Amino acid sequence: SQTIHQWPATLVQPVGSPLSLECTVEGTSNPNLYWYRQAAGRGLQLLFYSVGIGQISSEVPQNLSASRPQDRQFILSSKKLLLSDSGFYLCACRGRGLNEQFFGPGTRLTVL
Amino acid sequence: AQSVTQLDSHVSVSEGTPVLLRCNYSSSYSPSLFWYVQHPNKGLQLLLKYTSAATLVKGINGFEAEFKKSETSFHLTKPSAHMSDAAEYFCVVITNAGKSTFGDGTTLTVKP
Repeated sequence: SQTIHQWPATLVQPVGSPLSLECTVEGTSNPNLYWYRQAAGRGLQLLFYSVGIGQISSEVPQNLSASRPQDRQFILSSKKLLLSDSGFYLCACRGRGLNEQFFGPGTRLTVL
Repeated sequence: AQSVTQLDSHVSVSEGTPVLLRCNYSSSYSPSLFWYVQHPNKGLQLLLKYTSAATLVKGINGFEAEFKKSETSFHLTKPSAHMSDAAEYFCVVITNAGKSTFGDGTTLTVKP
């Protein structure tokens, strides 16, 4: 079964600084990968998804970008963080059939 | 288009009493429906899933949910709450492309 790794687990960054969150997947090949953000008291919002290397779809306009340099690596980035970028970021991988998604442990980002 | 509405943002029950977390959905197609649980500062864990097989779905930790197409509902229940059930619960619709729509979540509090 798939295992999803995310790092760092927590991050505190000043406004205007860059961001790079990394997600790697084990136990599967050519997975569909997803980045979600959970703001305080809210559900999860799909930010980006990728069906293959170099293929990124953005779901909402925002200050963030995503890249997929390798089959099992998915990176979330920003050139200049905003206060509103604070939240809990989850990487997910689509399971084999049945539309199930497996989630990583998440990264809690606080922008000050 | 699809949407998910979790009817209660907070539910409080006493230990040993039944749990009911309500979810209504709308979807253009036959949906795949899921319930995920998130404990504090943790990632998401799949509780159960409905994918057009049996309408009553049993999940982990004694939870179950019933898919009612006529009511467009997928409510989550458990006969007897345990203290360890205190967490946030998300109802999710996932399309065949793997794109998820999350409800805003229901926080379950279990009182001793």
